[in-house]
Amino acid sequence: AAGVIQSPRHLIKEKRETATLKCYPIPRHDTVYWYQQGPGQDPQFLISFYEKMQSDKGSIPDRFSAQQFSDYHSELNMSSLELGDSALYFCASSTRTGLYEQYFGPGTRLTVT
Amino acid sequence: QKEVEQNSGPLSVPEGAIASLNCTYSDRGSQSFFWYRQYSGKSPELIMFIYSNGDKEDGRFTAQLNKASQYVSLLIRDSQPSDSATYLCAVTGNAGNMLTFGGGTRLMVKP
Repeated sequence: AAGVIQSPRHLIKEKRETATLKCYPIPRHDTVYWYQQGPGQDPQFLISFYEKMQSDKGSIPDRFSAQQFSDYHSELNMSSLELGDSALYFCASSTRTGLYEQYFGPGTRLTVT
Repeated sequence: QKEVEQNSGPLSVPEGAIASLNCTYSDRGSQSFFWYRQYSGKSPELIMFIYSNGDKEDGRFTAQLNKASQYVSLLIRDSQPSDSATYLCAVTGNAGNMLTFGGGTRLMVKP
């Protein structure tokens, strides 16, 4: 079965640079969620989109923005990167039926030096 | 106090035994409950979900929910070394469909 696709899988950036992470949801999934997982921590919700509109907002820094496009893929844009932004960034997708079960992509490991 | 709490472990069980993982949550409005398995450096993998009181079984896994006690558990029967991972409890509530995770319990199944 098709899964969530994320790119790139690894990204190394310097402080104050920008980064763009991409997420392609499971086919026919219309909702996308972004999570950040720091070392030794559980995933923290950042933001979600349903039908190209922002749905819920969590602990996303003002330096970050995101959007969902007409083909349902989503991009997380991160500016003025800080050392503390180094983490695994997961995208998950779901439908709007049942319990909205979320299926996670493989993640993007971002390292800020 | 975290909204969702788990014992960090490690929980060590011998191969073939039953592993019991527990989770408590503070928001009585929580509606759906999920168990994810996460291997080190990998993404969370959904293994069970439950929304009504009682038990739900799927293969070697059983999820149990007690809303009155605000408690959800995961039982893994016939534990295998390949089950060794961190198990994350996650809930959704009235505020939206975002997942709020517990800190995870590290399970070690010894051959």
